[in-house]
Amino acid sequence: GAVVSQHPSRVICKSGTSVKIECRSLDFQATTMFWYRQFPKQSLMLMATSNEGSKATYEQGVEKDKFLINHASLTLSTLTVTSAHPEDSSFYICSARDQKRGGRAETQYFGPGTRLLVL
Amino acid sequence: AQRVTQPEKLLSVFKGAPVELKCNYSYSGSPELFWYVQYSRQRLQLLLRHISRESIKGFTADLNKGETSFHLKKPFAQEEDSAMYYCALSPSDDYKLSFGAGTTVTVRA
Repeated sequence: GAVVSQHPSRVICKSGTSVKIECRSLDFQATTMFWYRQFPKQSLMLMATSNEGSKATYEQGVEKDKFLINHASLTLSTLTVTSAHPEDSSFYICSARDQKRGGRAETQYFGPGTRLLVL
Repeated sequence: AQRVTQPEKLLSVFKGAPVELKCNYSYSGSPELFWYVQYSRQRLQLLLRHISRESIKGFTADLNKGETSFHLKKPFAQEEDSAMYYCALSPSDDYKLSFGAGTTVTVRA
């Protein structure tokens, strides 16, 4: 089955530093990946759509200069939280769409998530 | 803009009892509706989708366009059904998913 990995699984950093989170589709190609943010006991909020070879599309209210997204290949998207602050602490989840399966949203496969703690 | 509402944050049932998780949505077009499940310490995974009209792990969900609902049901809950359940909507012309707040289901022995 389709597998999506994220690295790291958890990261602790100091306020003001930048953190990069990787999302990889292990056995399929993904022209589209999605980045979500999940606060404790709350739902997933879509942050942005990552498109291979082009600029990411950000949801309303998400700062694109704060959350840099790069989708350089068909199997890798990265999310960089720049100048992280404690309020950026959260659980970040990516999903990847298996383009060969076509269809719609059901072809999204989710990564295990990355827990970020900014001190 | 679309919106998904799951009114119950917590749901506790006894093993063998029926369970129903409510989901209501608002969207002007023809959306696709999904139920996702997240078991403890595992990633989010698709449980079922309305277009396939299938039963997965004994769960079914019927899309009621008149009531804009997509409630998830299972006649006899099992302990392994304890998990977090999310209702999600995808617009008719997009791959994006909008999630409800989620319902934590606990099935007691």
